[in-house]
Amino acid sequence: LAKTTQPISMDSYEGQEVNITCSHNNIATNDYITWYQQFPSQGPRFIIQGYKTKVTNEVASLFIPADRKSSTLSLPRVSLSDTAVYYCLVGDGEGSGAGSYQLTFGKGTKLSVIP
Amino acid sequence: DAGVTQSPTHLIKTRGQQVTLRCSPKSGHDTVSWYQQALGQGPQFIFQYYEEEERQRGNFPDRFSGHQFPNYSSELNVNALLLGDSALYLCASSLMEASNSNQPQHFGDGTRLSIL
Repeated sequence: LAKTTQPISMDSYEGQEVNITCSHNNIATNDYITWYQQFPSQGPRFIIQGYKTKVTNEVASLFIPADRKSSTLSLPRVSLSDTAVYYCLVGDGEGSGAGSYQLTFGKGTKLSVIP
Repeated sequence: DAGVTQSPTHLIKTRGQQVTLRCSPKSGHDTVSWYQQALGQGPQFIFQYYEEEERQRGNFPDRFSGHQFPNYSSELNVNALLLGDSALYLCASSLMEASNSNQPQHFGDGTRLSIL
């Protein structure tokens, strides 16, 4: 299973852009990179997923370099409600179907947004 | 469109007892995975069910078992509870035969299990 490394914690002021970088040196060819957000006492919430280059949705952007050994989650203009733990994951790339992979979570990055 | 629902939300048990947790997957999903999340840690994969069979298993003892029903809902059973089993138990659902790309798993808000 591909492992990921990300900072334990980050602080940011409201209104700033936050970039959280994750390294995944052993990512497999058919693995996707997925980011989840988790608030206390809630389940993780899907933020964004990508395979290469750049992906953007209504809440975040995901930048993936050509070697795919790292990725950066970008949150534009964060607010207090973005205070949460953010997890970077890669699928194990194995199994009988794309939905069969088991997710391997690290400890995530605890983002604290300051007023 | 109902998301993943879990019951109960909280549960208190004593050492040695047995517990059953329940999960209904997101509409349209056929695969259920269970995760254990200790305080301050990321979720850890327990096992995954598809077509009523356990397909993958993480590093958890046999005290942890599960079941999937024909309607895709699932149960997690834990026997001989230990203090260390206190955690948030999360259920996630997905579609096994996703097209072209990995599909994100959708999580419920979990069951908080406390062992006294």
